[in-house]
Amino acid sequence: AQKITQTQPGMFVQEKEAVTLDCTYDTSDPSYGLFWYKQPSSGEMIFLIYQGSYDQQNATEGRYSLNFQKARKSANLVISASQLGDSAMYFCAMRRDQTGANNLFFGTGTRLTVIP
Amino acid sequence: DTGVSQDPRHKITKRGQNVTFRCDPISEHNRLYWYRQTLGQGPEFLTYFQNEAQLEKSRLLSDRFSAERPKGSFSTLEIQRTEQGDSAMYLCASSLWDRGYGYTFGSGTRLTVV
Repeated sequence: AQKITQTQPGMFVQEKEAVTLDCTYDTSDPSYGLFWYKQPSSGEMIFLIYQGSYDQQNATEGRYSLNFQKARKSANLVISASQLGDSAMYFCAMRRDQTGANNLFFGTGTRLTVIP
Repeated sequence: DTGVSQDPRHKITKRGQNVTFRCDPISEHNRLYWYRQTLGQGPEFLTYFQNEAQLEKSRLLSDRFSAERPKGSFSTLEIQRTEQGDSAMYLCASSLWDRGYGYTFGSGTRLTVV
């Protein structure tokens, strides 16, 4: 079974500082994908970054980077130069790379608050 | 490309009533997913369609829930005889089958059962 664990219910960060949001996962599948989504109060899930299990390099997208440690089964999100607009819920998710639904399994999320 | 649209944004209903939600995916996306998100939790998979075929349903989808995607375009999710435990955010997402990481979510429908 797939499981995503986010152990930080809430995090605070000073504006312009970097912050790391933790995510560990559990799967027996050899091939899978890892995602981070941002959910502001409006409710929409906004895609931030993707890492494939066979990707050799850590994914980066602008101010977002994913610290992928396959042996530890962790996929932490690093947000650099935090902005007030980064305040939101952040969800880590995993997808099995098999035939079928390819649906996402989500963690319970981390609420990030950026302090001016 | 206007993104994934969901209607209504909010719905308050009395216990025992039926409700129906609509999702309009990105037009060229052939896969459509429904998720449910309760307070303090991440979204949980309910069901998915490839074109008009409903190919997988979670065990979370009780007999009171039914989803359709006629003609492979918009989708509806109906809940019959609503219960207070059905109160949640219902999220729709769409993707292209060959770009499995390109999920686009709608803003959701927040259901409150009183």
